[in-house]
Amino acid sequence: QKEVEQNSGPLSVPEGAIASLNCTYSDRGSQSFFWYRQYSGKSPELIMFIYSNGDKEDGRFTAQLNKASQYVSLLIRDSQPSDSATYLCAVSGGGADGLTFGKGTHLIIQP
Amino acid sequence: EPEVTQTPSHQVTQMGQEVILRCVPISNHLYFYWYRQILGQKVEFLVSFYNNEISEKSEIFDDQFSVERPDGSNFTLKIRSTKLEDSAMYFCASSEVYNEQFFGPGTRLTVL
Repeated sequence: QKEVEQNSGPLSVPEGAIASLNCTYSDRGSQSFFWYRQYSGKSPELIMFIYSNGDKEDGRFTAQLNKASQYVSLLIRDSQPSDSATYLCAVSGGGADGLTFGKGTHLIIQP
Repeated sequence: EPEVTQTPSHQVTQMGQEVILRCVPISNHLYFYWYRQILGQKVEFLVSFYNNEISEKSEIFDDQFSVERPDGSNFTLKIRSTKLEDSAMYFCASSEVYNEQFFGPGTRLTVL
């Protein structure tokens, strides 16, 4: 049974600070790792993906992957109130595999 | 920017009735997926579809469910005999190459 674990939060971060979101996964065969943002009542929105160990930066977002530790993280720099949402970690074995999602971390950016 | 679309946005049905949820994936995408999210719970994979056949399905996707790509643009999910526990948001997703999946806005299914 593939599992993806996230702290449900809420994680409260002051505006302008760095928000750090973490995720662990159980299946060592996982190949692809994704972060989605989901606003209340809306669909998941892809914000980052990473396939290789290390860091990947895109604007204010940095995804970090450590396959040995089965750990994925997302850093959000210069957090804005509009970043307040639930962040979903998802993993896949590759190919046309479906994504296995965590329950998400509820992030609140305090103005 | 191209996006996945889904219809209807909200479907109300009686227990035991058949429902068909419709999706139009992004036009150059080759892989199609259905997910569901029960209120307050995590997003769950149902099925993936590639080259006109099912690639992978989860334990949730039992004989009550079926998928079809009836033409070059639509992708449908049929639930033959709905149960109360089928009430959820159903999301369609598509990807050009495998894995970077883009989600539609969802259909809220309410089974009474």
